[in-house]
Amino acid sequence: DVKVTQSSRYLVKRTGEKVFLECVQDMDHENMFWYRQDPGLGLRLIYFSYDVKMKEKGDIPEGYSVSREKKERFSLILESASTNQTSMYLCATIYRGTEAFFGQGTRLTVV
Amino acid sequence: GQQVMQIPQYQHVQEGEDFTTYCNSSTTLSNIQWYKQRPGGHPVFLIQLVKSGEVKKQKRLTFQFGEAKKNSSLHITATQTTDVGTYFCAGSRGSYGKLTFGQGTILTVHP
Repeated sequence: DVKVTQSSRYLVKRTGEKVFLECVQDMDHENMFWYRQDPGLGLRLIYFSYDVKMKEKGDIPEGYSVSREKKERFSLILESASTNQTSMYLCATIYRGTEAFFGQGTRLTVV
Repeated sequence: GQQVMQIPQYQHVQEGEDFTTYCNSSTTLSNIQWYKQRPGGHPVFLIQLVKSGEVKKQKRLTFQFGEAKKNSSLHITATQTTDVGTYFCAGSRGSYGKLTFGQGTILTVHP
């Protein structure tokens, strides 16, 4: 079974803090994605990576950056957290255009 | 950019009633996928449709892909309480398997 693990289920951070969300997958997939999920908006793509050190912006990259130093690890960085970044964050890996495997999600609250 | 619209946003049914959610894309899709997210959980892949006019069944679930590959539906016959959750469609676009998700339909089943 594919395993996608996110470092935290719940996080509470203060406005202005730098926040790191970590995601690790164990299946050697090239493509990894970060989505945020908000009620009524579905899942929106923030950033994705198709190889080590390679990244591309998704639909809502503003206020975020990413890092992929190793194939199995994809990090989402909130440079200066704001209250409008309070959300559920989901990491996913997709193998060759087939199904996406999601982590359990990180519910981030920015106060 | 590509948009995927999903309706309805909410659906409340009595156990045993049927349920349908609809998905429409602004552009032609290479394939469409469906996911289920249980309350408190993460999205889990249900199925992928690739061919124009394709119909697939999984027990009480029937999935259709439109002839123009721009719309899709998920129909559940005789709902059960275990069907509770949010159902998402997701259209695949471009390379790397990027998925654009619909807003999701939250299904509540009353016993």
